[in-house]
Amino acid sequence: AQSVTQLDSQVPVFEEAPVELRCNYSSSVSVYLFWYVQYPNQGLQLLLKYLSGSTLVKGINGFEAEFNKSQTSFHLRKPSVHISDTAEYFCAVSYFGNEKLTFGTGTRLTIIP
Amino acid sequence: EAGVTQFPSHSVIEKGQTVTLRCDPISGHDNLYWYRRVMGKEIKFLLHFVKESKQDESGMPNNRFLAERTGGTYSTLKVQPAELEDSGVYFCASSQDRGTSGYFGPGTRLTVL
Repeated sequence: AQSVTQLDSQVPVFEEAPVELRCNYSSSVSVYLFWYVQYPNQGLQLLLKYLSGSTLVKGINGFEAEFNKSQTSFHLRKPSVHISDTAEYFCAVSYFGNEKLTFGTGTRLTIIP
Repeated sequence: EAGVTQFPSHSVIEKGQTVTLRCDPISGHDNLYWYRRVMGKEIKFLLHFVKESKQDESGMPNNRFLAERTGGTYSTLKVQPAELEDSGVYFCASSQDRGTSGYFGPGTRLTVL
């Protein structure tokens, strides 16, 4: 069975500072990995995804994530955050042949001016 | 092109009443998914349609929940009778191809009093 752990429920970061949101997964088979963002009063939006190939994935809004198979991690990073990045971020996994997503509990990112 | 739409955006009902949530996927998307987030917890998969057929309904919590997708277009999720623990945000997602992440709608916030 798959599971996703987002270790930090809340992350406060000063504006223009770097941020890393952590995600670890557990699966007995190869997985696809995703990061979604939910801005206040909006739906989920796909930030980036890893299906295969290069382990460094670049997404929208300057975010990137690195797939590390040995550590079963898919941490999300941004070198310099802005107020507009205030949102809740969700890591999710799925595997081929079973498209349902298994989500982590989310990390609420707060940007401090 | 319109995204995934959900109606209503909010619903407040009494325990024991019936509620029907609607999802309109992106035109041409055969795959439609329902997810639910109970407050403070992770987003959980409910079921997956391919056109009008239920591909996977392993996440449906009990027989008080009934999902339909007549004609392979929009989908409805009926809760009858509603219980307090059904409160949460119900998300719908759609995708064109299998094995890829879906586009999510804004969600329906259901409150059962």
